[in-house]
Amino acid sequence: AQSVTQLGSHVSVSEGALVLLRCNYSSSVPPYLFWYVQYPNQGLQLLLKYTSAATLVKGINGFEAEFKKSETSFHLTKPSAHMSDAAEYFCAVSETGFQKLVFGTGTRLLVSP
Amino acid sequence: EPEVTQTPSHQVTQMGQEVILRCVPISNHLYFYWYRQILGQKVEFLVSFYNNEISEKSEIFDDQFSVERPDGSNFTLKIRSTKLEDSAMYFCASRRDFDGEQFFGPGTRLTVL
Repeated sequence: AQSVTQLGSHVSVSEGALVLLRCNYSSSVPPYLFWYVQYPNQGLQLLLKYTSAATLVKGINGFEAEFKKSETSFHLTKPSAHMSDAAEYFCAVSETGFQKLVFGTGTRLLVSP
Repeated sequence: EPEVTQTPSHQVTQMGQEVILRCVPISNHLYFYWYRQILGQKVEFLVSFYNNEISEKSEIFDDQFSVERPDGSNFTLKIRSTKLEDSAMYFCASRRDFDGEQFFGPGTRLTVL
């Protein structure tokens, strides 16, 4: 069965600092990997996805993630945090097939001035 | 820009009552999903629907749950006899292609008293 582990339920950074949100996956088949963002009282918005093409994936709002098969990781990064990045971030995995998403527990990003 | 819509945004019901949560997926999408998120927990897959039938369902999706696409535009989730533990945010999602992005609605918050 597929699963995702997100280390750190909360991450705090200062505005302008590097953002690093960690995600490790478990999958018996080559995975599709996703990062979603959830702003307060809103639905889930796709930030980026990995679908076995380039290992470095660029998404919206300046975020990117690198697929590392040897480490089974798909960490999300952004060079410089903005106040507007404060939200909940979810990593998700699916099989190369039907595409049901299996989510991690989420990481709340807090950005201070 | 097309979006998935859900109604109502918040539903309060008494334990044992039936509720119907409504979703209008993006018009040219073919694959439909329900997920739920209990407060403070991760987003969990409930059911997927394609070609007017359930494609996959999770252990959560027991006989108390049903889905329907009654008229080619709406996609509904019915809970026949609600329990306290059904209190959660319910997200609808839709996808156009077999391999495409899932677009999420803003969710319906269900509160069972």
